[in-house]
Amino acid sequence: EAQVTQNPRYLITVTGKKLTVTCSQNMNHEYMSWYRQDPGLGLRQIYYSMNVEVTDKGDVPEGYKVSRKEKRNFPLILESPSPNQTSLYFCASSLLAGGPAYEQYFGPGTRLTVT
Amino acid sequence: DAKTTQPNSMESNEEEPVHLPCNHSTISGTDYIHWYRQLPSQGPEYVIHGLTSNVNNRMASLAIAEDRKSSTLILHRATLRDAAVYYCIRGFGNEKLTFGTGTRLTIIP
Repeated sequence: EAQVTQNPRYLITVTGKKLTVTCSQNMNHEYMSWYRQDPGLGLRQIYYSMNVEVTDKGDVPEGYKVSRKEKRNFPLILESPSPNQTSLYFCASSLLAGGPAYEQYFGPGTRLTVT
Repeated sequence: DAKTTQPNSMESNEEEPVHLPCNHSTISGTDYIHWYRQLPSQGPEYVIHGLTSNVNNRMASLAIAEDRKSSTLILHRATLRDAAVYYCIRGFGNEKLTFGTGTRLTIIP
């Protein structure tokens, strides 16, 4: 089944404790992206990747890191989480990057709470 | 800056057509118009996208104004399962799509 998976689905952590949220897609997609969703603010893009070893900042990149060493994986890293990073996070992928738009497939979401 | 304007909420009766408006008055000539929706407790899902002419697929139709400053997503026969938040987004490719807060659609049985 074609899908985007995220792990963990739920995470409660403390301020300053490094964490990684994994994202994996099995569709051989070039493009992958991370979003966060907060009440009243909609979905905001954190980082995106056009292909392996190519990443770029979205609208709200501060406090986050990403890497794209393999085509299928795009982990989101919080080196020193803070309470303002408490949010619902979504990973997405798309067949191709650049040029006309292609359908984005979203993962089920990761709810992160930082205390 | 979401670059699109949508009503915060709309209601529609079940089995009737729904027209969801979107204003994108500053759209550039190469920007596509994308629509996604988010069902409760799920990630967003793609609905439709288009550039200039009207588009149809199995889920919906997209009517784009001739000047491209506005568009309308049309659900031909709403069901309870169509209750969701609908996002209208403008952008060329997939990079840096800004979702905004969308329109919360309520379907009345």
